Amino acid sequence: EIVMTQSPATLSVSPGERATLSCRASQSVSRYLAWYQKKPGQAPRLLIYGASSRATGIPARFSGSGSGTEFTLTISSLQSEDFAVYYCQQYNNWPPFTFGQGTRLEIK
Amino acid sequence: EVQLVESGGGLVKPGGSLRLSCAASGFTFSSYPMNWIRQAPGKGLEWVSSITTTDGFIYYADSVRGRFTVSRDNAKNSLFLQMNSLRAEDTAVYYCARDLGASNYYFDYWGRGTLVTVSS
Repeated sequence: EIVMTQSPATLSVSPGERATLSCRASQSVSRYLAWYQKKPGQAPRLLIYGASSRATGIPARFSGSGSGTEFTLTISSLQSEDFAVYYCQQYNNWPPFTFGQGTRLEIK
Repeated sequence: EVQLVESGGGLVKPGGSLRLSCAASGFTFSSYPMNWIRQAPGKGLEWVSSITTTDGFIYYADSVRGRFTVSRDNAKNSLFLQMNSLRAEDTAVYYCARDLGASNYYFDYWGRGTLVTVSS
């Protein structure tokens, strides 16, 4: 089973600033990596797939990068609606699909 | 508009059973693999089960294999999860989610979830 590790657990950033979230895989997942946004009481929302492709309707301030075992989600110029929990998920080697434990992005 | 709506959650005693349903609309349900994913209180996301378009392949997480059964009715645009021998650690919000298959095994649409609570 591939273990996904996200860092930091919590990230405090001011609105308008940039946020950088990291995700590491225990073995290579090539570029089969997705990012999701989760808000309380809402369905998770797909942001990025294929490590760097934005999903339909996702604003350009969200970008993904990386390959192999190291991945980054960058949110430039944070908006109020961006404060949420973010999860990475690998889909290179399954079952099982595995998620990171999440990074909580909070307002500084 | 793609919509996934889960139902069937509730309070059940340890050892009990529950059947979850997911009603799909806005897309050709029979053409997409479907999944169940859960989130325990205060925890992260955990994949539970996947089923391909024609039941040809079914997969389970080790934590539920032998207790949970996934199925689908393409004629009724519905996904199901039969949960038996429930344990306290199965307490979670259960989401159904669609993936695109063919190496695109990410979840592009999710429902809002249904809460399952296992407690005496």
